[in-house]
Amino acid sequence: AQSVAQPEDQVNVAEGNPLTVKCTYSVSGNPYLFWYVQYPNRGLQFLLKYITGDNLVKGSYGFEAEFNKSQTSFHLKKPSALVSDSALYFCAVGGFKTIFGAGTRLFVKA
Amino acid sequence: DTGVSQNPRHKITKRGQNVTFRCDPISEHNRLYWYRQTLGQGPEFLTYFQNEAQLEKSRLLSDRFSAERPKGSFSTLEIQRTEQGDSAMYLCASSFPKGRGTTEAFFGQGTRLTVV
Repeated sequence: AQSVAQPEDQVNVAEGNPLTVKCTYSVSGNPYLFWYVQYPNRGLQFLLKYITGDNLVKGSYGFEAEFNKSQTSFHLKKPSALVSDSALYFCAVGGFKTIFGAGTRLFVKA
Repeated sequence: DTGVSQNPRHKITKRGQNVTFRCDPISEHNRLYWYRQTLGQGPEFLTYFQNEAQLEKSRLLSDRFSAERPKGSFSTLEIQRTEQGDSAMYLCASSFPKGRGTTEAFFGQGTRLTVV
């Protein structure tokens, strides 16, 4: 069975600082990995995905994620956080169905 | 295309009543998913369709839940004899497999169910 874990319930970062939201996964075979963001009263929005290829994946709104096979991780990163990045972030592993982590709330302080 | 559409956006019902939700996916997408999300948690997979065929149902989906996608387009999720524990946000998503592997799912804004 496939699963993802997001070890941090909340991440706090100051505006302008780099941010990292952690994710580890467990799958048999090649992983299909995703990050989604959820703003209040809005649906989940796709940020980026890793299917194959370069370990560093670039996505929407300046976010990127690094796939690390040996550590089974897929951490979400951004070089310079914005207050508007404050939201709930979900890591997911996909295939025929997509399984989501519990989510990490990102709070960016001005 | 306006994306995945879900109706109604909100539903309040009395315990024991039946409710039905509708999802209209992105038109060219042949996969459709239903998820349930409770406050502060990640979406939990319920079921998914490939065209009109329901290919998998989660063990979370009790016999009171049924989903259909009769013509491979829109889908409905019905909950019979609702219970307070059914209160949640019900999310629909669609995707179109292309190339190798899988592709991302596009989500609707959800239907928030409150059972009183």
